[in-house]
Amino acid sequence: DGGITQSPKYLFRKEGQNVTLSCEQNLNHDAMYWYRQDPGQGLRLIYYSQIVNDFQKGDIAEGYSVSREKKESFPLTVTSAQKNPTAFYLCASSMWGNTEAFFGQGTRLTVV
Amino acid sequence: SQQGEEDPQALSIQEGENATMNCSYKTSINNLQWYRQNSGRGLVHLILIRSNEREKHSGRLRVTLDTSKKSSSLLITASRAADTASYFCAPGGGINDYKLSFGAGTTVTVRA
Repeated sequence: DGGITQSPKYLFRKEGQNVTLSCEQNLNHDAMYWYRQDPGQGLRLIYYSQIVNDFQKGDIAEGYSVSREKKESFPLTVTSAQKNPTAFYLCASSMWGNTEAFFGQGTRLTVV
Repeated sequence: SQQGEEDPQALSIQEGENATMNCSYKTSINNLQWYRQNSGRGLVHLILIRSNEREKHSGRLRVTLDTSKKSSSLLITASRAADTASYFCAPGGGINDYKLSFGAGTTVTVRA
């Protein structure tokens, strides 16, 4: 069953802790993306990756880090430097640039 | 790539009516995509229209593209309650342009 999986669906962390969100795809896609969505808002691009071992900052990369060691996986770490990390995080993948993107179901992160 | 700007921000219609929303962008594109997001879920790809196409249909969806005006419209005909969602456009620069950005979207509410 091909698709893109984000885990966990809900995540709670204490302020000051780093937290890593998982994103895995078995679609053999080259490109992967991370977005942040705040209530009632659109999607803001955090990081994206075109190929393994390469990634670029999006529009709001500060306080976040990523890695792309495997084609299937693109984990996002929300660091303690991110001032307001509570949000809904979406991961996506696509075959190439600006082709149909497939999205995961999201991780809702709450920092208390 | 660039971010599209959707208009209106919100739209409320009666079941059975048509819903039209627009997307404007700033620089020339290779294609433009439309996505739907149901509340609390990931985005779902609806349709991709290439810069050399003027109109494209998919079921009850009709997308037009006017590259001279740098705008696109999405029409949903005979709307249903299940069409209640947010709709986003993504203007694209081509397969070598990997940055996939979204605007704030249009929130459509279909009243029974």
